[in-house]
Amino acid sequence: GAVVSQHPSWVICKSGTSVKIECRSLDFQATTMFWYRQFPKQSLMLMATSNEGSKATYEQGVEKDKFLINHASLTLSTLTVTSAHPEDSSFYICSAPRTSGGEGNEQFFGPGTRLTVL
Amino acid sequence: AQSVTQPDIHITVSEGASLELRCNYSYGATPYLFWYVQSPGQGLQLLLKYFSGDTLVQGIKGFEAEFKRSQSSFNLRKPSVHWSDAAEYFCAVGGNAGNMLTFGGGTRLMVKP
Repeated sequence: GAVVSQHPSWVICKSGTSVKIECRSLDFQATTMFWYRQFPKQSLMLMATSNEGSKATYEQGVEKDKFLINHASLTLSTLTVTSAHPEDSSFYICSAPRTSGGEGNEQFFGPGTRLTVL
Repeated sequence: AQSVTQPDIHITVSEGASLELRCNYSYGATPYLFWYVQSPGQGLQLLLKYFSGDTLVQGIKGFEAEFKRSQSSFNLRKPSVHWSDAAEYFCAVGGNAGNMLTFGGGTRLMVKP
């Protein structure tokens, strides 16, 4: 099946620094990727839609200047958490949809990145 | 707006017992429905999906789910639970190709020996 990778799998940083998380589709092209955030013992909440060749679309309440998204190529999207604070500590998961014939939407999820901000 | 409700936050079953996890959705058009499983600290693994056709879908690890349009439900079942099934289960709904998924709140399954 299709594979989506994320790097790093975990990161610890100091408050005020910026952290970049990469999401790659390894064996298919993805013009769209999605970034989700998951707090402990909670569900996944969509943060933004990353679009290759255009600006990302952010969900209501998500600060676009804080969570910078760049869809650099058809296989790579990056999420940069700028000036990170402890409340940004979370599990960040990306996904990429791949259509297969007439079956419509199938999302492939990355393994997630655990961010801890001290 | 689309939404997913998983009424049960926690469920505990004995190993070998049957399991049913409930999922109700709200969606304005024909939904694409998914069940994912997540082990602690891990990403999501797709158990099964429904796009169209037969309303009873088979997935991996012995799971199945039944789409009932009249009840807006997509409940997940397994006839005999194994200790390794203990995890968090998420139901999700999506639309056309390329659309994002909306997740339910999740159900944490615990398995008693």
